[in-house]
Amino acid sequence: DADVTQTPRNRITKTGKRIMLECSQTKGHDRMYWYRQDPGLGLRLIYYSFDVKDINKGEISDGYSVSRQAQAKFSLSLESAIPNQTALYFCATSDTPFEQFFGPGTRLTVL
Amino acid sequence: QKEVEQNSGPLSVPEGAIASLNCTYSDRGSQSFFWYRQYSGKSPELIMSIYSNGDKEDGRFTAQLNKASQYVSLLIRDSQPSDSATYLCLAGTYKYIFGTGTRLKVLA
Repeated sequence: DADVTQTPRNRITKTGKRIMLECSQTKGHDRMYWYRQDPGLGLRLIYYSFDVKDINKGEISDGYSVSRQAQAKFSLSLESAIPNQTALYFCATSDTPFEQFFGPGTRLTVL
Repeated sequence: QKEVEQNSGPLSVPEGAIASLNCTYSDRGSQSFFWYRQYSGKSPELIMSIYSNGDKEDGRFTAQLNKASQYVSLLIRDSQPSDSATYLCLAGTYKYIFGTGTRLKVLA
């Protein structure tokens, strides 16, 4: 079984819809992260969490929110999706600050 | 100036050659650096970390760090077609800034 799983793997939605992307991990790591990846822009941090009660904004948090439901679960929400949120989204986990393990990614398309 | 800069490539090298990938950074507070490899359509995976000036070797990979000049590099010896991927540099600060990556193509 994969250590870091993301659901759904692909999603097509319409402008204005609320979307939730989910991440689960079995690695036992406290730290979890959400990134988006766009061609030419690389990986950019949206939110990160060092434990269940700790949530921090990353470089590009506007338009996104997160929930850390448990040590193993970290969800990313788009309250009202817009086309420029079309991207590949990655969840990652770590037990040290920068040695991260990434999930398989969610490809999100907003029409 | 971007905080972490990489040449986007593609960098093409023949099989068996040394591939040299470079990364420069602007935050002098960065103390550690990480190289991730990302195959097309896959997620990034950590391949090297370096915390102090000098060289760190792991198999065919060598990471080099020069804090005075603010650059970090990754050398891949005896390059193989399976090394063809995009290589991402991460500067270890609370901002978690990745470079945009260098695409490497190893030609058989």
